[in-house]
Amino acid sequence: GENVEQHPSTLSVQEGDSAVIKCTYSDSASNYFPWYKQELGKRPQLIIDIRSNVGEKKDQRIAVTLNKTAKHFSLHITETQPEDSAVYFCAASIRTNAGKSTFGDGTTLTVKP
Amino acid sequence: DTEVTQTPKHLVMGMTNKKSLKCEQHMGHRAMYWYKQKAKKPPELMFVYSYEKLSINESVPSRFSPECPNSSLLNLHLHALQPEDSALYLCASSQDRGELARNTGELFFGEGSRLTVL
Repeated sequence: GENVEQHPSTLSVQEGDSAVIKCTYSDSASNYFPWYKQELGKRPQLIIDIRSNVGEKKDQRIAVTLNKTAKHFSLHITETQPEDSAVYFCAASIRTNAGKSTFGDGTTLTVKP
Repeated sequence: DTEVTQTPKHLVMGMTNKKSLKCEQHMGHRAMYWYKQKAKKPPELMFVYSYEKLSINESVPSRFSPECPNSSLLNLHLHALQPEDSALYLCASSQDRGELARNTGELFFGEGSRLTVL
């Protein structure tokens, strides 16, 4: 089955700095890679996703890159703000079978004002 | 409406109680899921319903019993739980493979039901 590894487990940055979270996956059949943000006591919410037919996707301060050959993908947050503080989970799945998403263990991001 | 609604938000039960968690979505999604989440851990898949039929049971103990009365509703019946079952139970939905052209793959999560077993 799929195995997703996520690093780092915790990340602390100063407000305005950039944050990068990296994930690797094992199953070459995976073609859908979402990132979920979960604030304390709240639900996981999709913040950005990428499909295997593109290498990079950007949405304002958030970007995701995908290297299919190396089987890794990364989340980049620029100009971080305190409200970016949360747990971030990467996941990998076959797009038409999202329920079988394999999640990384999560990264706790703290943005210090 | 892009919401998945779960009730109750909090539940405290004894090991001999019977209770149920409820989930509802009106996005026309045909796949619905139950996840269990412990603090600072990723969601752990328990059950998947596809077109109202149970398609995946991730070897969940029988003290958890899912039910999908119709395409909008999903229940999780709880009986004789253990203290280690205390967790956040998340319901989610997604478009299923039957709608490939519109299938974004995104999981829509509810806010969860926080369960404490005494």
